[in-house]
Amino acid sequence: GNSVTQMEGPVTLSEEAFLTINCTYTATGYPSLFWYVQYPGEGLQLLLKATKADDKGSNKGFEATYRKETTSFHLEKGSVQVSDSAVYFCALSGYTGNQFYFGTGTSLTVIP
Amino acid sequence: NAGVTQTPKFQVLKTGQSMTLQCAQDMNHEYMSWYRQDPGMGLRLIHYSVGAGITDQGEVPNGYNVSRSTTEDFPLRLLSAAPSQTSVYFCASNPDGTVYEQYFGPGTRLTVT
Repeated sequence: GNSVTQMEGPVTLSEEAFLTINCTYTATGYPSLFWYVQYPGEGLQLLLKATKADDKGSNKGFEATYRKETTSFHLEKGSVQVSDSAVYFCALSGYTGNQFYFGTGTSLTVIP
Repeated sequence: NAGVTQTPKFQVLKTGQSMTLQCAQDMNHEYMSWYRQDPGMGLRLIHYSVGAGITDQGEVPNGYNVSRSTTEDFPLRLLSAAPSQTSVYFCASNPDGTVYEQYFGPGTRLTVT
């Protein structure tokens, strides 16, 4: 079946540090892959997406590349800011009905 | 566009009570879903709909009912609330079940005592 595994948190970084949040997936076929961000007290917002192998999604300085050979979609940012503190979810879309599969989320705190 | 709206924002229920969580979207999306979010478990799909009149179960459907009489609305009913249903509930919509991302509502925080 389909599933998403992402690195455990919480993650604490100093401002301007490099960020990587690992995400691997199991899926049949060629799903679309997503990163969502959830700020405190809010719903999830799409951060970036990739719909086919080797695509790179990017937004607000964050990037992730759809790697079919390693079934991964790791999130990276070269220099984090305090405002990036949030919970990040990796997700994939399935092929039956409206099935999206989410990872458990990684909490990021950026300290000045 | 208001996007996806949910009411209420907060709710406290006693065990055994019933209630309906409301969800509406004004983007004319065919697909809508309900999730619950629990610490350490991410988001789990409760029920979803691929169009008016069509619903199906997700990963954790027990204790919940849904209906989809219009494209815009997708209410979630708790039949007899239990403490295990204490959670944050999110409604989401999307125009397509595969390529397009989901748009989430702000959530309803439910506590069952």
